[in-house]
Amino acid sequence: ETGVTQTPRHLVMGMTNKKSLKCEQHLGHNAMYWYKQSAKKPLELMFVYNFKEQTENNSVPSRFSPECPNSSHLFLHLHTLQPEDSALYLCASSLNPSGGLADTQYFGPGTRLTVL
Amino acid sequence: GENVGLHLPTLSVQEGDNSIINCAYSNSASDYFIWYKQESGKGPQFIIDIRSNMDKRQGQRVTVLLNKTVKHLSLQIAATQPGDSAVYFCAESNNNDMRFGAGTRLTVKP
Repeated sequence: ETGVTQTPRHLVMGMTNKKSLKCEQHLGHNAMYWYKQSAKKPLELMFVYNFKEQTENNSVPSRFSPECPNSSHLFLHLHTLQPEDSALYLCASSLNPSGGLADTQYFGPGTRLTVL
Repeated sequence: GENVGLHLPTLSVQEGDNSIINCAYSNSASDYFIWYKQESGKGPQFIIDIRSNMDKRQGQRVTVLLNKTVKHLSLQIAATQPGDSAVYFCAESNNNDMRFGAGTRLTVKP
């Protein structure tokens, strides 16, 4: 266990559904991240939160909406997704004392999302 | 454009042999490099890291080598075991950017 948990582990949703992914870290870290992992493609950084403030949004469509109520919890709200959004969504956290990205990230197990 | 990539998408080794997984990067501003291991159904797991002021770092059965001249990173696994079978990928970063390679699948034959 890395100290980063994600729920649910698997999710199947229709294109008109609204769902949320949850991530929680028990490591006392300051930064949290959302990644998308598709088959045979590199990890794609979606969002970065540092001390609860969003510092990165890598051109992610608005149908993905992150929320970070505190340094330990991170959500990804999903709305009107497309089939091509089916992927493994990974959450990570890092201590990030300097606020930059050059820090070791610890990943959760991911949520396997299927959009029908 | 600049990218992070792996030379080999798959690597098969005999149990007990040493494994070498390679990674090329092209962003000269990267100063922090990480190797991750991802087993089926799990998230990436940190293995070892190295900063640009070093060219070698050793862990338990793993060694990372950094050659800044040719922008090359490698992961060496000594006495490879069946439990080492996984996808391995590198990441390069600086304070403003982090990029991941696509991964190499390591298979260990008994």
